[in-house]
Amino acid sequence: EAGVTQFPSHSVIEKGQTVTLRCDPISGHDNLYWYRRVMGKEIKFLLHFVKESKQDESGMPNNRFLAERTGGTYSTLKVQPAELEDSGVYFCASSLRPWGRRGTNEKLFFGSGTQLSVL
Amino acid sequence: KNEVEQSPQNLTAQEGEFITINCSYSVGISALHWLQQHPGGGIVSLFMLSSGKKKHGRLIATINIQEKHSSLHITASHPRDSAVYTCAVRGMEYGNKLVFGAGTILRVKS
Repeated sequence: EAGVTQFPSHSVIEKGQTVTLRCDPISGHDNLYWYRRVMGKEIKFLLHFVKESKQDESGMPNNRFLAERTGGTYSTLKVQPAELEDSGVYFCASSLRPWGRRGTNEKLFFGSGTQLSVL
Repeated sequence: KNEVEQSPQNLTAQEGEFITINCSYSVGISALHWLQQHPGGGIVSLFMLSSGKKKHGRLIATINIQEKHSSLHITASHPRDSAVYTCAVRGMEYGNKLVFGAGTILRVKS
């Protein structure tokens, strides 16, 4: 079974440009999460999709970030225009049911991440 | 100050050594997770704990809810254990989202 895949693995862009990151969750996983680790800091939650709906987008840093999940399959995260502080590793994860809910032992599967460098 | 503190930040061990990585948090939680990421690889969820202890192979995770502390132990460490280990917690005070520690970079030398 294919795991969570992310594309591209690396992206180097200039400040002001646009970048789109893609995440393909495990087939059948309704729950899709985006996280990121910016330089030297801990991983932070960005948002959570349930199918095509945004369940929680409280972690999105500002309106330069737009996430979509049309059709409830793969998701894209677009940064426009990119700024220097957006550099970091962007992780996607998926689960069949919402992860971490008390009483469940639902496993969360992560992708390898996209390393974004904004110059 | 991070809400989830991990120690040490970096750890170098000799093959065969017993390794302990610690994680402390400041508020009540519903679950704590230990994650592993090998160089160039994705993140793998090792354990999810809400109480007590779990064991998988040479890996053991414990949690003390009263002391708000968890440890990840690796017995008979091996170079293939070299990775970044991160703890993450979930609780109502965090809006039921995952809050991550900064990670511990482990290198096991042969």
